[in-house]
Amino acid sequence: GAVVSQHPSWVICKSGTSVKIECRSLDFQATTMFWYRQFPKQSLMLMATSNEGSKATYEQGVEKDKFLINHASLTLSTLTVTSAHPEDSSFYICSLGQFDGYTFGSGTRLTVV
Amino acid sequence: QQQVKQSPQSLIVQKGGISIINCAYENTAFDYFPWYQQFPGKGPALLIAIRPDVSEKKEGRFTISFNKSAKQFSLHIMDSQPGDSATYFCAASRDTGNQFYFGTGTSLTVIP
Repeated sequence: GAVVSQHPSWVICKSGTSVKIECRSLDFQATTMFWYRQFPKQSLMLMATSNEGSKATYEQGVEKDKFLINHASLTLSTLTVTSAHPEDSSFYICSLGQFDGYTFGSGTRLTVV
Repeated sequence: QQQVKQSPQSLIVQKGGISIINCAYENTAFDYFPWYQQFPGKGPALLIAIRPDVSEKKEGRFTISFNKSAKQFSLHIMDSQPGDSATYFCAASRDTGNQFYFGTGTSLTVIP
């Protein structure tokens, strides 16, 4: 299956700053990537679908101005958490869909202090 | 509305025993049903998946049983090992490249 590289694996930032998370498809040209958020001991919540060369599609209740998604190439999608607050602290995971199902990145643990 | 319902929320099994996790879905348009295994601090990893044209799929110690009429599917882990201790998610989608709907997860603990 495809290999997905997500970076960074963890980040601590101050409240009010912005954080960018990268998701790279290493061996697969992904026109679509997905961004999930996961709270401790809970399921994955789809935040948005990232489409190469066009605007992302956000799920209901997800602030598009706060969670900026850019999918500028077939191998890279980025999620920027803008003006982060402690309530944004969470585990963020990207994935790409392909023939044999989703391949997930290793996740990014964001802690906002 | 939860598209895929998963139970139990947590499960404790003795080493060598059988772990069984169940999922149910409503949307009959779903045609792909994967199971994911997630260790703490890691992203989910595909474990095994099934399509509705078969009732069972086995890969090593892992088996998916699928009941199309009941709209239910389950994961069976035979000869459970401590290394199987993880969180398991079932999911469903209309196509492998489309949005997946995940179950709420089951935390499995296999005790020696």
